Amino acid sequence: GAVVSQHPSRVICKSGTSVKIECRSLDFQATTMFWYRQFPKQSLMLMATSNEGSKATYEQGVEKDKFLINHASLTLSTLTVTSAHPEDSSFYICSASHDRGHGNEKLFFGSGTQLSVL
Amino acid sequence: QKEVEQNSGPLSVPEGAIASLNCTYSDRGSQSFFWYRQYSGKSPELIMSIYSNGDKEDGRFTAQLNKASQYVSLLIRDSQPSDSATYLCAVGGATNKLIFGTGTLLAVQP
Repeated sequence: GAVVSQHPSRVICKSGTSVKIECRSLDFQATTMFWYRQFPKQSLMLMATSNEGSKATYEQGVEKDKFLINHASLTLSTLTVTSAHPEDSSFYICSASHDRGHGNEKLFFGSGTQLSVL
Repeated sequence: QKEVEQNSGPLSVPEGAIASLNCTYSDRGSQSFFWYRQYSGKSPELIMSIYSNGDKEDGRFTAQLNKASQYVSLLIRDSQPSDSATYLCAVGGATNKLIFGTGTLLAVQP
């Protein structure tokens, strides 16, 4: 199946610092990538939709100035958590849409990034 | 009302039995339905997708969709301990945005 690579897998940082997470589609081009956040024992919550070459679309309640998304190419999207605080500690997961033709389009997920803000 | 609802479980089944996981959704315009498996600390892995009413089988897995009842289920035959995980139901509309349920924790007892 399609491969989506996400780095880093784990980050521990001090409060007030910024953290950058990368999401790459390795064997296909993804015009759209999605960023999710998952707190312990909760479901995945969509944060934003990242579109190549244009501004990301943020879900209600997600601060666009805090969670900066850049989708500079068809294979790379980045999420930067600016001025991170302990409440930002969560599991962040990206996904990319892979159109395999004949309406067979599926989402594939990166391996996730566990962010811990001290 | 939550958009996608699942029983959080845990659902405990003996090894070799059939595990039945259920999901209901609120948006009648939903067009695509997915089951993902998620192990603790890992990202979701796509198990099954289904788009039309009826059953879809893939190995030990069968997805069932009933759009009139807004209900989708996943059956796992011959359950194995390695199937123990959280199973997430996801529902999509006209775009690729998916709404996830909170997941059902499945525990297969050896």
